[in-house]
Amino acid sequence: QQPVQSPQAVILREGEDAVINCSSSKALYSVHWYRQKHGEAPVFLMILLKGGEQKGHEKISASFNEKKQQSSLYLTASQLSYSGTYFCGQAAGNKLTFGGGTRVLVKP
Amino acid sequence: DAGVIQSPRHEVTEMGQEVTLRCKPISGHDYLFWYRQTMMRGLELLIYFNNNVPIDDSGMPEDRFSAKMPNASFSTLKIQPSEPRDSAVYFCASSRTSGYQETQYFGPGTRLLVL
Repeated sequence: QQPVQSPQAVILREGEDAVINCSSSKALYSVHWYRQKHGEAPVFLMILLKGGEQKGHEKISASFNEKKQQSSLYLTASQLSYSGTYFCGQAAGNKLTFGGGTRVLVKP
Repeated sequence: DAGVIQSPRHEVTEMGQEVTLRCKPISGHDYLFWYRQTMMRGLELLIYFNNNVPIDDSGMPEDRFSAKMPNASFSTLKIQPSEPRDSAVYFCASSRTSGYQETQYFGPGTRLLVL
């Protein structure tokens, strides 16, 4: 069963903030976030692990609530380059199951 | 370093024809994944390999789909016969090891259109 993402889409003006949520019905050991631009492949953003460890290199932050089985991705002071579709992935063993995605459009 | 390489990038074929998609993972990566992306079903895992051995093919839609990995640097996904509902973007991804801490690196994808 895939994780549920919300909202499905969001439109921002450059400089505005947004939050993307990812919820799972399964116990989460880690949450992976990817961004996909139109016509391109998904690109890794970060991994959030149980215990709070975070691995990533973008200027985009995220949180992971293990008890609630939820993760949130924070787009702060959004830039035009943030536009794309964001996917969360829940890891089970060696496999990633991706959510349905959240489309983000940042306008000038 | 070269990333994951896929070919062809675009494929247009007619229903009933055989289609072969190719993937070269990142050197040194032991895991290879094949995904399919459609508007209706999103990004779904079809099959994955560890050290060239298929581990989980539960996502393969039906017997028309088959995948092989004859060596560490090459994998194929074959559809025979192809049908219009197979139209999608097929991604190959690889990772160094497995587990919940590992990053998967995606190739550019093959855009398949079956007429």
